Parts: sequence; C-alpha cells; structure tokens
Amino acid sequence: AQKITQTQPGMFVQEKEAVTLDCTYDTSDPSYGLFWYKQPSSGEMIFLIYQGSYDQQNATEGRYSLNFQKARKSANLVISASQLGDSAMYFCAMREGRGAQKLVFGQGTRLTINP
Amino acid sequence: DSGVTQTPKHLITATGQRVTLRCSPRSGDLSVYWYQQSLDQGLQFLIHYYNGEERAKGNILERFSAQQFPDLHSELNLSSLELGDSALYFCASSVAWGPNDPYEQYFGPGTRLTVT
Repeated sequence: AQKITQTQPGMFVQEKEAVTLDCTYDTSDPSYGLFWYKQPSSGEMIFLIYQGSYDQQNATEGRYSLNFQKARKSANLVISASQLGDSAMYFCAMREGRGAQKLVFGQGTRLTINP
Repeated sequence: DSGVTQTPKHLITATGQRVTLRCSPRSGDLSVYWYQQSLDQGLQFLIHYYNGEERAKGNILERFSAQQFPDLHSELNLSSLELGDSALYFCASSVAWGPNDPYEQYFGPGTRLTVT
C-alpha cells in the first residue's frame, strides 16, 4: 500500500491565488512527521515545512501552511498568494517514528503558476 | 544553499562501468541518507548512515554500496551499471539527536547519472 499519496499530478493556478496541494498518508505508528519539499526545474530539493504527529497546531512558514487533519490522515500544503517562482514539483514525505529516519515520498504534484 | 555538497554534478558513463558519488553533509550533521530519483520509481530511499554506521537500508541493489567515513562524508558506489540506473542521486543530511523534532533532512543538489 502507498504510504504517501498525492492525487494531483499537475495543477495550474493564476498568480496571486491561493493553492492547496493534497497529501494523504498511511501509517500505524503514533509518532511520525510529515514534510513538504519543493523541487524547481533546477533539480534541488528544498525543505518547506514540517508537521509532527503530536503537534496541536497546523504548521506555518511564511506563505506556506500545512492543513493537518489527523483523523483523515491528510497533510495538505497551502500556498497563499502564489508567485511565478512557486512553479515547481512539490513532494509530500513522511518519517515514521522519531529521530533520524528515512523519508518516504509521494509521487509529487507539478504546480504551474500562470501570470 | 542547503549546506550539503555533492560531487560530481553530472556523470555520464557506459553500461558495465563503476562510479562513485560523493557527499559532504552539513556541518554537525551525523546522519547521511542516499535517495534515488527516477522517472518510473520516483524518489526512493537507498541507505542511511549515522556516524559511520549503517542504520537502515531501502531498495538498494546489491550492485550498489555506500559508506560513511570518519570525517562524515559519504560515498555511494554503483557498479556493473545498467541503463536503468540512470537517475538523479541525492544525498541528504540531518541532525541525529535533540529533544525535539523535526529532524528535517537537507538535500544536496544531486548527481545526475546517465548510463549509455
């Protein structure tokens, strides 16, 4: 079974609009972490935001926020006021357990911001 | 700049050859991870080293091996290369201890391997 599912292969959004990228996960471990990474066309993987399974509040980092719905096992990334530079692949990833553990990635969503 | 360095940036080689990819983690990070990104498999975890010791293995082929040296840099060795090994290989590092999460992993720029 897929541990991380990103159901949107591609999304097109107008500049300055908000966008939500979907991510659902599957784990039986009560302790886990959820991450979002951005991969521009240049190829590097850029860490955006993190949500821990025990965190009571949704994580926010500047224009990025994570809509964490634990009961639904979803961790959607919300980008407010999108910019042309937000065009990239976005990956949701999960770490099961605490500490230094491997990440399991979803297949990614290609986001294109139109001017 | 994540602080993780990888060399070389690009590598083109022939089938059957052997190559070595090198990674230097961020200063102070003891954990090093290797990932492979290919079009058909996506991003796959290969192997994790912590302070010189292997901690976890993913779907790493027997033709592949890795090690982490006392200065904490790591090398990924790929041998008997096949066309299907063409991919982007990432190294990532993270802190290994501390009372709090997130233990986020910072990725290097990757090595793009092309096997012809």
